[in-house]
Amino acid sequence: GAVVSQHPSWVICKSGTSVKIECRSLDFQATTMFWYRQFPKQSLMLMATSNEGSKATYEQGVEKDKFLINHASLTLSTLTVTSAHPEDSSFYICSAKGIAGLYQETQYFGPGTRLLVL
Amino acid sequence: EDQVTQSPEALRLQEGESSSLNCSYTVSGLRGLFWYRQDPGKGPEFLFTLYSAGEEKEKERLKATLTKKESFLHITAPKPEDSATYLCAVLAAGGSNYKLTFGKGTLLTVNP
Repeated sequence: GAVVSQHPSWVICKSGTSVKIECRSLDFQATTMFWYRQFPKQSLMLMATSNEGSKATYEQGVEKDKFLINHASLTLSTLTVTSAHPEDSSFYICSAKGIAGLYQETQYFGPGTRLLVL
Repeated sequence: EDQVTQSPEALRLQEGESSSLNCSYTVSGLRGLFWYRQDPGKGPEFLFTLYSAGEEKEKERLKATLTKKESFLHITAPKPEDSATYLCAVLAAGGSNYKLTFGKGTLLTVNP
């Protein structure tokens, strides 16, 4: 149980284009999903928290117009990197937290998406 | 401000050589302490959640313990496949957000 998937796992794009990353909770309903960014040999940096059906809450310093987050259902959240530039190249990881019981307090992470902007 | 400090930063063990990883934390009321394992190029894999001092949880060669100031991840007779970065995170009580505070991790290498 508690499986979170991400798609795509790898994406290469040209500078100026937009990229959408999907995060799905496969076997539980996720009331809250989180998006992280991880730089090489560093720990995870929280970018934003999204609750199903409401606007995402962004961490200080994260541009909300740059990183668009949509959490349209209890099993799907998307992160769109708009007008991507080489400095946006990174490893993006989502996590999901469920409604109750086993899934209520613990965040379960997806496998990550590596973005390379040329 | 919540803080999590993990030590050592890196640890090399021989196969079968048991050891412990430390996670010291400062938080305004602990709601939960989490251990994750992360392999290179992958997302963190959930290992344990601990809620209160004195609690212990085990899974195969791993055992996590919790006190009021720190948590230990004990690795008994490790195998090369246990090599990974182990992350500790805390969730503070109160408030409606579920923001985790992560430590920087311990990179464990187990040599055959």
